[in-house]
Amino acid sequence: QKEVEQDPGPLSVPEGAIVSLNCTYSNSAFQYFMWYRQYSRKGPELLMYTYSSGNKEDGRFTAQVDKSSKYISLFIRDSQPSDSATYLCAMTEASGTYKYIFGTGTRLKVLA
Amino acid sequence: NAGVTQTPKFQVLKTGQSMTLQCAQDMNHEYMSWYRQDPGMGLRLIHYSVGAGITDQGEVPNGYNVSRSTTEDFPLRLLSAAPSQTSVYFCASSYVGQGYNSPLHFGNGTRLTVT
Repeated sequence: QKEVEQDPGPLSVPEGAIVSLNCTYSNSAFQYFMWYRQYSRKGPELLMYTYSSGNKEDGRFTAQVDKSSKYISLFIRDSQPSDSATYLCAMTEASGTYKYIFGTGTRLKVLA
Repeated sequence: NAGVTQTPKFQVLKTGQSMTLQCAQDMNHEYMSWYRQDPGMGLRLIHYSVGAGITDQGEVPNGYNVSRSTTEDFPLRLLSAAPSQTSVYFCASSYVGQGYNSPLHFGNGTRLTVT
């Protein structure tokens, strides 16, 4: 079993829709959670960075962490065609371990 | 604001050839790392470094060497390229915080094909 599971998609939604992207994980030691956006032929770009459980909002993006269920989500409101990309979740343990584990990514396509 | 810079962007090698992938960052990050990204397998850690003179192996280190002589640079060497090393390679760096792991910042990758 992989430490981090992420639905590969592709996920197609109409412009303006609310998008929900999810990852599950098995390692209860993960403390820091990240979401990256990766456009084709580019490197991953950090979108959200959260610590432990709770919600964090940044513009149209909301990251949610539920450590009791080992489940994290990224919500995108009012989705735009420019949001079409692959979204990667990532997580890491307490400081000093330098072990970042990535999901395989979900491809999202927002249709104009 | 350059961030993490990788060169070259593309490379084609023949089996058995050697080459060095370059990575430089201008953010004064202590931590630097190399990942490879393959379809369906996500990002896998090859090697990492937490400072000049300090390196360690990741999940898939075989066939790759690294060294860290300065804070800014972290080159990845392929000693004898194999077709299984065909992949997209990403360099990533981060600040080493006191009591927390800061997020990784990535370069735009090197696409390597080994024939």
